[in-house]
Amino acid sequence: QQKVQQSPESLIVPEGGMASLNCTSSDRNVDYFWWYRQHSGKSPKMLMSIFSNGEKEEGRFTVHLNKASLHTSLHIRDSQPSDSALYLCAAGGNYNQGKLIFGQGTKLSIKP
Amino acid sequence: NSKVIQTPRYLVKGQGQKAKMRCIPEKGHPVVFWYQQNKNNEFKFLINFQNQEVLQQIDMTEKRFSAECPSNSPCSLEIQSSEAGDSALYLCASRTNTGQLYFGEGSKLTVL
Repeated sequence: QQKVQQSPESLIVPEGGMASLNCTSSDRNVDYFWWYRQHSGKSPKMLMSIFSNGEKEEGRFTVHLNKASLHTSLHIRDSQPSDSALYLCAAGGNYNQGKLIFGQGTKLSIKP
Repeated sequence: NSKVIQTPRYLVKGQGQKAKMRCIPEKGHPVVFWYQQNKNNEFKFLINFQNQEVLQQIDMTEKRFSAECPSNSPCSLEIQSSEAGDSALYLCASRTNTGQLYFGEGSKLTVL
């Protein structure tokens, strides 16, 4: 069964620092990855998606994808207390009719 | 703000009672998903629909879970006879043609 593994399970980063989160899929048919952020008591909100090998940057957020290793990473620079949340990685593919398989998340805490 | 509307936000049921949750997906989004997020933040895919038809679903052989997405009515997820292990956040999401999922705020079920 397809699994999506995220690491670390939890992460504490000082305000202004860089947070790096990792995600790997066990399914070689995966076509793309999505990163979602879920604040406590709220629903997940899409942060970024990545479909191709390489890097994608949007503001303070950068996503990398290595399709050969099915590994993606999310980097947050100049971390803010409002970035404290659960970060979810989801993998999907056209073979799967768009169903996303979610990892268990990385709980990020930004310390002022 | 999410335009996927889920009701109720909270429901409390006794073991053996029926629990029903509703979802109005965002207009124009062709596919609707239901996920279960447990207290460990683990996401479990339950079922998805396109134009009222089931695309994929988990093995619901226990027969306690049922879902439908009729035209011109909210989608619904129903648990016939709730068990303590069903306590979770039930998230409805609608998917755009580009594959992005928009989540509702969820229905938090507590089974006493």
